[in-house]
Amino acid sequence: EAQVTQNPRYLITVTGKKLTVTCSQNMNHEYMSWYRQDPGLGLRQIYYSMNVEVTDKGDVPEGYKVSRKEKRNFPLILESPSPNQTSLYFCASSFKERTEAFFGQGTRLTVV
Amino acid sequence: AQSVTQLGSHVSVSEGALVLLRCNYSSSVPPYLFWYVQYPNQGLQLLLKYTSAATLVKGINGFEAEFKKSETSFHLTKPSAHMSDAAEYFCAVSVAGRRALTFGSGTRLQVQP
Repeated sequence: EAQVTQNPRYLITVTGKKLTVTCSQNMNHEYMSWYRQDPGLGLRQIYYSMNVEVTDKGDVPEGYKVSRKEKRNFPLILESPSPNQTSLYFCASSFKERTEAFFGQGTRLTVV
Repeated sequence: AQSVTQLGSHVSVSEGALVLLRCNYSSSVPPYLFWYVQYPNQGLQLLLKYTSAATLVKGINGFEAEFKKSETSFHLTKPSAHMSDAAEYFCAVSVAGRRALTFGSGTRLQVQP
């Protein structure tokens, strides 16, 4: 089954404790992105990747890091989480630019 | 820069009634437009997309949308609402040269029995 898998689904952590949210897709897509969803703001792109070792900032990249060492994986790293990063995070992949994006189930992160 | 405005953060309809969810976009170049649906505790799923071919686009679950360039609109409609349509709906725009989808703030659809 074609899918984008994120882990964990739920995470509560404390300010400053580094964490990683994993994302994996099995569709051999080149494009992968991370979005955060906040009430009243829709989804905003954090980072995207056009292929292995090619990443770039989205609209809200501050406080986040990403890497793309393999085509299928695109982890999101929060080196020092802060409460304003409490949000619902989605990973998405697409075959190429401007084609349908496939979304993961989401990761609800709470930073206390 | 491109933007998306969804009028009405909450829309309530009766089962069997017409569903109309509004989306207006702003873009200086020809856009691709998408509607996504998000069911509770799930990711987003594509309903339909406009990519500069036919202006009336049909999607899944009986939804359709019409691209109107003169009105910069891409409203989502369904003739008869079903209880299972209750969800949050997002309109999004993609323009050439920009990697991100730009999303509207979403419209939560409630269907009353």
